[in-house]
Amino acid sequence: GAVVSQHPSRVICKSGTSVKIECRSLDFQATTMFWYRQFPKQSLMLMATSNEGSKATYEQGVEKDKFLINHASLTLSTLTVTSAHPEDSSFYICSARKRTTEETQYFGPGTRLLVL
Amino acid sequence: EDQVTQSPEALRLQEGESSSLNCSYTVSGLRGLFWYRQDPGKGPEFLFTLYSAGEEKEKERLKATLTKKESFLHITAPKPEDSATYLCALTTSGTYKYIFGTGTRLKVLA
Repeated sequence: GAVVSQHPSRVICKSGTSVKIECRSLDFQATTMFWYRQFPKQSLMLMATSNEGSKATYEQGVEKDKFLINHASLTLSTLTVTSAHPEDSSFYICSARKRTTEETQYFGPGTRLLVL
Repeated sequence: EDQVTQSPEALRLQEGESSSLNCSYTVSGLRGLFWYRQDPGKGPEFLFTLYSAGEEKEKERLKATLTKKESFLHITAPKPEDSATYLCALTTSGTYKYIFGTGTRLKVLA
């Protein structure tokens, strides 16, 4: 199997606070993890790619200081939305790849963030 | 520029009415093509990976095929629980990142 979990599944926070989202590969080691954002009725938009033990690579237009990504182990990556604002409200989805030679990404169930 | 197009955008089928979803692409050097289904409010669920033209894969009522220009996801005798958005994505020789199609919203009526 290839199961990816995310926690929390849903979070509501006040404007200005920080929120951390965890992404775990439960039954495999993930050399690479990806973070996406999805707006209603739109496709997934890649935010950043993270490899275990290295700094994340961010897509153009994604603020590194706002969306902090840490990939501390082969089974865990975290996304921290710092000083969240209402416009950060979205559906955040992570994915993981098993090995560098396998390109299939396995997605987590997503985290719905609402910033008030 | 690499492009992935899915058609139709939306499809309504009666239960048992077989059909096909299309994912056509113009890319420089296809490496892999991937099919997912996504239910509302959930992450994409992996269905198939195809690497070579002529390759076919099956799972229950679904069958994915690949040519040099497109991929089809055939749905045989669909059931209401097959209702979802079906996404195709691909990687190319130029990037490991997914290039997504816009998806096909499938609704199967009982």
